[in-house]
Amino acid sequence: NAGVTQTPKFQVLKTGQSMTLQCAQDMNHNSMYWYRQDPGMGLRLIYYSASEGTTDKGEVPNGYNVSRLNKREFSLRLESAAPSQTSVYFCASRGLRNEQFFGPGTRLTVL
Amino acid sequence: QKEVEQNSGPLSVPEGAIASLNCTYSDRGSQSFFWYRQYSGKSPELIMFIYSNGDKEDGRFTAQLNKASQYVSLLIRDSQPSDSATYLCAVLWIGNQFYFGTGTSLTVIP
Repeated sequence: NAGVTQTPKFQVLKTGQSMTLQCAQDMNHNSMYWYRQDPGMGLRLIYYSASEGTTDKGEVPNGYNVSRLNKREFSLRLESAAPSQTSVYFCASRGLRNEQFFGPGTRLTVL
Repeated sequence: QKEVEQNSGPLSVPEGAIASLNCTYSDRGSQSFFWYRQYSGKSPELIMFIYSNGDKEDGRFTAQLNKASQYVSLLIRDSQPSDSATYLCAVLWIGNQFYFGTGTSLTVIP
């Protein structure tokens, strides 16, 4: 089992460019999450999907969109990247005991 | 407003000592509590979860929950240099959203 996988691992964008972060899990979990992690700020929830076909906003959704493509995949899209979106992005899925399994992360820099 | 607070540290303990990490939360409606360990440049990994008041032990780790006082703590016995990492406290309230503290940096000195 690969667990939770994310692509890409690193990305550099210019202001105004768009990109999609991909996430997939092979644990048959219903719920999936996107977080960003900034120094001194901890993990902040961007969007989550409680089940296939549903998505909800988290604490910091502005500037992002998500798609729950199927039970395995949950993507995060930046339509017009801004320097404030420079961060490390983690995808996670939620297990039966409510524990979260995190992917390896994507380090995004917006110039 | 739901808040989870941790002392950012850094916390330094000598090898073999007990490390004590604390977390407080703002809302009594919380249900589940989690401790994650995060090494520099890596993703968080689950150490323990606790749902009920009292202590829960797993190897060298003990989680303590006091819902009346709204705090949860993590004790690491016989601390090892490999325990040096940032420890994240997370709280799940009713629903699907998890709230994380900013983490406590722990250094175990050989």
